Amino acid sequence: DTEVTQTPKHLVMGMTNKKSLKCEQHMGHRAMYWYKQKAKKPPELMFVYSYEKLSINESVPSRFSPECPNSSLLNLHLHALQPEDSALYLCASSLVPTPLFFSRDGYTFGSGTRLTVV
Amino acid sequence: GQQLNQSPQSMFIQEGEDVSMNCTSSSIFNTWLWYKQDPGEGPVLLIALYKAGELTSNGRLTAQFGITRKDSFLNISASIPSDVGIYFCAGRKDKTSYDKVIFGPGTSLSVIP
Repeated sequence: DTEVTQTPKHLVMGMTNKKSLKCEQHMGHRAMYWYKQKAKKPPELMFVYSYEKLSINESVPSRFSPECPNSSLLNLHLHALQPEDSALYLCASSLVPTPLFFSRDGYTFGSGTRLTVV
Repeated sequence: GQQLNQSPQSMFIQEGEDVSMNCTSSSIFNTWLWYKQDPGEGPVLLIALYKAGELTSNGRLTAQFGITRKDSFLNISASIPSDVGIYFCAGRKDKTSYDKVIFGPGTSLSVIP
């Protein structure tokens, strides 16, 4: 299995709703990532998990709450979002780089969840 | 902060033509990655480059890691309609404890049949 699977593919939610995005991979990757991508822009890093622990939070507002329950799953919990949070949310995974032995591959991305906040 | 620049921003070419795009940075990177993204999909890795001066091919695609480690180019030969998409370069500084990949703004490629 060489895929990162994201569900749902599309999500429409109101500003008072609570929803979750899910990401799953079975490649044995121990680093997982959430990216946000606006139309015609590059992906922007939100969170990095390394060995199921949060290692990077790129100053993301608290209305986005990540969770990594095990080495194959990554969730992004959403609450009280704003319309400007509408975007494509991408999950990715990779081998975990260390200062001495770095990963020789890029990330494997999922197809994303297209989120619309109304 | 660290930034990558890509040029051109967009391209319209005839099917069968060759394509060249590049990526530059004011900082040194130890890895350069080229991704392609189709509409509604996540980016897909095309080529990864690890050494300055390295030239790597993947089918009709060829990419090079610049000698200064501050640039990279991607060439596509004999373009076909399915080459349409956005091409992102991405750079990575491998020697830090955490893995952060910085993406360029992308080059949008349109192929006219």
